[in-house]
Amino acid sequence: EIVLTQSPGTLSLSPGERATLSCRASPSFSGNYLAWYHQKPGQAPRLLIYGAFSRATGIPDRFSGSGSGTDFTLTISRLEPEDFGVYYCQQYGSSPVTFGGGTKVEIK
Amino acid sequence: QVQLVESGGGLVKPGGSLRLSCAASGFTFSDYYMSWIRQAPGKGLEWVSYVGSVSNTIYYADSVKGRFTISRDNAKNSLSLQLNSLRAEDTAVYYCARVGRPYYYFDYWGQGTLVTVSS
Repeated sequence: EIVLTQSPGTLSLSPGERATLSCRASPSFSGNYLAWYHQKPGQAPRLLIYGAFSRATGIPDRFSGSGSGTDFTLTISRLEPEDFGVYYCQQYGSSPVTFGGGTKVEIK
Repeated sequence: QVQLVESGGGLVKPGGSLRLSCAASGFTFSDYYMSWIRQAPGKGLEWVSYVGSVSNTIYYADSVKGRFTISRDNAKNSLSLQLNSLRAEDTAVYYCARVGRPYYYFDYWGQGTLVTVSS
């Protein structure tokens, strides 16, 4: 089973700042089969990125994904108030699919 | 627009059973794989099960294999999860999700239904 480790655990930032979230896989998996989700309190997760780089329908271009192999990154270029919450990565290149433990982005 | 609405959650005693349902609308249900994912209170996400578009492919997480059964009814645009031999560690919000293509990420999620296993 692929273990995804997300860092940092918590990111304290102000609106307008840049956020960089990391997702590390062990062992590595084939292809760029990595997705990112955003979850606000009391809500279901929402797909942001799939295929490591591709934005999902309706996702603004301030969200971007990068990486391959074992190291993946989600970047939010300028944080908006609605961007705060928990972000999860998920790999689907190896069975079973697995999720990272999450990074909480909180208002500084 | 895509909508997924879960129902059937509740409080059940250890060893008991429960059946969850998910009503789908806004897309051609029979064209998509579907999945259940759960989230224990205050914890992260855990994939539970997949079913193929015509039920020809079914997978379970090891943690639920032999106890949970996924099924779908394409005529009714409905997904189900039968939960048997429930344990305290099965307590979670259970989400129904559509599987995106290429497989297997999750492009739309329902609002979830809470299952609490406690005596």
